[in-house]
Amino acid sequence: AQKVTQAQTEISVVEKEDVTLDCVYETRDTTYYLFWYKQPPSGELVFLIRRNSFDEQNEISGRYSWNFQKSTSSFNFTITASQVVDSAVYFCALTLGSSNTGKLIFGQGTTLQVKP
Amino acid sequence: DTEVTQTPKHLVMGMTNKKSLKCEQHMGHRAMYWYKQKAKKPPELMFVYSYEKLSINESVPSRFSPECPNSSLLNLHLHALQPEDSALYLCASSQGRGTGANVLTFGAGSRLTVL
Repeated sequence: AQKVTQAQTEISVVEKEDVTLDCVYETRDTTYYLFWYKQPPSGELVFLIRRNSFDEQNEISGRYSWNFQKSTSSFNFTITASQVVDSAVYFCALTLGSSNTGKLIFGQGTTLQVKP
Repeated sequence: DTEVTQTPKHLVMGMTNKKSLKCEQHMGHRAMYWYKQKAKKPPELMFVYSYEKLSINESVPSRFSPECPNSSLLNLHLHALQPEDSALYLCASSQGRGTGANVLTFGAGSRLTVL
């Protein structure tokens, strides 16, 4: 069975602090994809990153960075110098390479509050 | 601006009403999805359309009836709903057939309240 765990339900930081959101996944498939989506109060889920199971390179995009470690089945997300606009619910998700539906298996989400 | 447009943004209906949620995209995507999201929970997949054909129904009650009139439009017809069906309904689309590699583009959702 496939599962995604985001152990942090809520995180509160002060602006300009760095924050890391944890994501641990479970799957027996060798080909899979990992995603992070952001859901601001407006409701829509905004795609942030997709990583396939064969690409363990870390990625940096501006203030955002992602650390993918297959050895620990983790795909953590770090925001550097957080800003109030980063306040949102962040979902980590998994799909299987064998999937013919594109079904996203979501974690429970982490609510990030960045205070000014 | 979101590239997936959902209407209405808010809908209040009684248990005997019939209403519809609409979703439109003009990105040329050929897979479209309906997700349901309860408060403080992750989205749950309801339906997947691939090339205008229903490919997945995640055991959704028949009071929810999806329709894909063409490659740009996706409707969700609602009838005899229950208060527990109150939720945010999210539409999404992706290129090609639904596969694990697809990146989904989501709309802002329709927030449904059933009285």
